[in-house]
Amino acid sequence: QVQLQESGPGLVKPSETLSLICSVSGYSISSAYYWGWIRQPPGKGLEWIGNVFPTGGTAYNPSLKSRLTMSVDTSKNQFSLKLTSVTAADTAVFYCARGIAPTAFDSWGQGALVTVSS
Amino acid sequence: QSALTQPASVSGSPGQSITISCTGSRLDIGSYNFVSWYQQHPDKAPKLMIYDVNNRPSGVSNRFSGSKSGNTASLTISGLQAEDESDYYCVSFTSSSTYIFGTGTKVTV
Repeated sequence: QVQLQESGPGLVKPSETLSLICSVSGYSISSAYYWGWIRQPPGKGLEWIGNVFPTGGTAYNPSLKSRLTMSVDTSKNQFSLKLTSVTAADTAVFYCARGIAPTAFDSWGQGALVTVSS
Repeated sequence: QSALTQPASVSGSPGQSITISCTGSRLDIGSYNFVSWYQQHPDKAPKLMIYDVNNRPSGVSNRFSGSKSGNTASLTISGLQAEDESDYYCVSFTSSSTYIFGTGTKVTV
């Protein structure tokens, strides 16, 4: 049974870089169609951040693309997200998930709250 | 890209059927059969309920069904149950090879 777990700092200062790792267990990261990141600001809706493929290819939300880097580490069975120059508007619960078809994420991490504040 | 449009809330009585709409454009829903629906209970991760417009993942009740007409996708919940009370989100593939979520709908039973 695949399990995903987000990890990273829960507090990031404005203008700094937000870094998160998603550790995958019970399933080879190389076997998935793709992996994704989705975020949800407190009390608001879901926002797609981007996808990373086992080959290393990526697809990013245009509104975040200039600040976003996603990568996969097959040796550690994990994938990561880096978002630069963060502001309070980036405060959200960040979810990592496994993609089985376009827009279809069938397994999700529990979510990690990241607060941007000085 | 603007979020897909969903009604803010939909309500129904136990046993009834309800339908949640998700309206986009010819650049997303209207051009691709890559529409998924998620159920999200408070403080929980979303759960995939429907993908590829009308496919149910293993383990999802057949009371949930999806459809699409033109630029609008729909999720129907039949035989409404108390446990269906939740937030629901649609998401579509777009012509830019990106994904766009809907605004979300709160279902009250």
